[in-house]
Amino acid sequence: DTEVTQTPKHLVMGMTNKKSLKCEQHMGHRAMYWYKQKAKKPPELMFVYSYEKLSINESVPSRFSPECPNSSLLNLHLHALQPEDSALYLCASSPQGGNQPQHFGDGTRLSIL
Amino acid sequence: KQEVTQIPAALSVPEGENLVLNCSFTDSAIYNLQWFRQDPGKGLTSLLLIQSSQREQTSGRLNASLDKSSGRSTLYIAASQPGDSATYLCPGRSSGDKLTFGTGTRLAVRP
Repeated sequence: DTEVTQTPKHLVMGMTNKKSLKCEQHMGHRAMYWYKQKAKKPPELMFVYSYEKLSINESVPSRFSPECPNSSLLNLHLHALQPEDSALYLCASSPQGGNQPQHFGDGTRLSIL
Repeated sequence: KQEVTQIPAALSVPEGENLVLNCSFTDSAIYNLQWFRQDPGKGLTSLLLIQSSQREQTSGRLNASLDKSSGRSTLYIAASQPGDSATYLCPGRSSGDKLTFGTGTRLAVRP
């Protein structure tokens, strides 16, 4: 069982839809991360939040909009996605960020029609 | 910029064999190295953490070592089992928060 919970597990959406991915952790971690993983490729970092502030944006297109309402919750808002955005989206957390270990959720499998 | 190479890319072995998976990093400034496994379509499960002051770490049948001077890490799996079949990842860090992943080692253990 993972201590980082991601919902939904699967999401199918059209290119004009707006949807959100959710990530939750109750370990008291203060850093949270979004990664994108295409099929048969390694994960790639998208965003980092540290103490609820966005600290890293890896030049991600604006159709992906992250939000960290509190230290336990991380959202990824999706709008006007493209078929190439279909991927596994992974959330992770770490106690205080920096060089500390990261704990991953099981991911949300996103398919764009 | 940190780059990670994992060798071999894929491995298929019969059950019971002892295995060695290798990682090398272009930037040897390695802190808190994590080894992960990933089952198909799933998230990453942390297997071992070698902290910056350590040279190796053991958990059950797994042993990971880190040689900072050469920028290399090795994961040793003893007495492999079919349940060990997965992709193994050893990300480096380009900067504190940023994990940089190689393409992994895809392991299949045959019954």
